[in-house]
Amino acid sequence: DQQVKQNSPSLSVQEGRISILNCDYTNSMFDYFLWYKKYPAEGPTFLISISSIKDKNEDGRFTVFLNKSAKHLSLHIVPSQPGDSAVYFCAASAGEYGNKLVFGAGTILRVKS
Amino acid sequence: DAGVIQSPRHEVTEMGQEVTLRCKPISGHNSLFWYRQTMMRGLELLIYFNNNVPIDDSGMPEDRFSAKMPNASFSTLKIQPSEPRDSAVYFCASSLLGTSYPSKNIQYFGAGTRLSVL
Repeated sequence: DQQVKQNSPSLSVQEGRISILNCDYTNSMFDYFLWYKKYPAEGPTFLISISSIKDKNEDGRFTVFLNKSAKHLSLHIVPSQPGDSAVYFCAASAGEYGNKLVFGAGTILRVKS
Repeated sequence: DAGVIQSPRHEVTEMGQEVTLRCKPISGHNSLFWYRQTMMRGLELLIYFNNNVPIDDSGMPEDRFSAKMPNASFSTLKIQPSEPRDSAVYFCASSLLGTSYPSKNIQYFGAGTRLSVL
């Protein structure tokens, strides 16, 4: 039972354009959402997060949007750079003092120069 | 800060041997997590500890797997006996679980241990 789904295994974008990575979830108890980036032979690194009390969070070139009614979140990268090429994982946690993270399967982003 | 430190980075062993993976969490963090990443199952949580106490080990695949956290700065994941299907990358992560709501559960990962069981 996949509670967090990233339906696009891969995405290819031209340098300078916008990258949009999508994530859907099924558990309405999730109240905190995170995006992680992973390069080969490294561990996932935290990128950006959003709590359920917000619908948007920005950090430089990265913006995360949350649509609670649709149980959908997305990560926008503008402008995309070749160094952004990596695997991106969506994750979610639930509960008053949420601890466990449930991860999606990941999306491979390739930014072409 | 040195981040989460895992050792070894690579481990090659033969079926039936005991394997021990090690993790040093970020100093001051009170939660520690062990994950396994495979092509088939993605990133799956095996077990996690709060304040050195195992809270949820429902992800541990079977009795061959065990994990300990004897103190706040060290944890081990042991596989005995190891099997070829245990081949995967094992990640350790740590976080500081707060008391505010919603809890900002940002986990910080180590570089992982790539395990190959022949």
